[in-house]
Amino acid sequence: KQEVTQIPAALSVPEGENLVLNCSFTDSAIYNLQWFRQDPGKGLTSLLLIQSSQREQTSGRLNASLDKSSGRSTLYIAASQPGDSATYLCAPLGGSEKLVFGKGTKLTVNP
Amino acid sequence: NAGVMQNPRHLVRRRGQEARLRCSPMKGHSHVYWYRQLPEEGLKFMVYLQKENIIDESGMPKERFSAEFPKEGPSILRIQQVVRGDSAAYFCASSLEGNTEAFFGQGTRLTVV
Repeated sequence: KQEVTQIPAALSVPEGENLVLNCSFTDSAIYNLQWFRQDPGKGLTSLLLIQSSQREQTSGRLNASLDKSSGRSTLYIAASQPGDSATYLCAPLGGSEKLVFGKGTKLTVNP
Repeated sequence: NAGVMQNPRHLVRRRGQEARLRCSPMKGHSHVYWYRQLPEEGLKFMVYLQKENIIDESGMPKERFSAEFPKEGPSILRIQQVVRGDSAAYFCASSLEGNTEAFFGQGTRLTVV
């Protein structure tokens, strides 16, 4: 059974800082891994999808890496802005074809 | 191309009533997933459907909950005889294939009073 852990649970940083969010998962037999953001009271917005054959994926100020063999993914956010404040969720997709979520990292970027 | 549409956005039901939550997937998507999010909890998988088929319902409570995705029309998550513990946000996601990028709707927030 896939289990996902995200560290830290919460993070507060000043604007402009570069930061790293960590995600670990127990079953490395995955097709891909998605990173999402969730704003309070809202749905999930897909940020990045990394295929199991990829090591990195970039979109703007976001860079996600995947080390499938060790069951780890990181989301790097460059030059953080107050608008980046949200909860960030990672979700690997395995043979069951359903995303399994961690509890997320709640990010606050202070102006 | 509209995203995943869920309605209603907010739903209030009295204990014992039925709740019907609707989800229209993105155009061309035939795979639909339902998740539940309790306050301060992560998203928990409930059910995975394709058109007219339930693929995986391992996360669905055995009683009172059912889901369908008919050939025509939206996917429906039905909760019969709701109880206070059913109060949560229910999210629907869709994907083109079973192992491709999933897109989520804005959710339906169910409150049982």
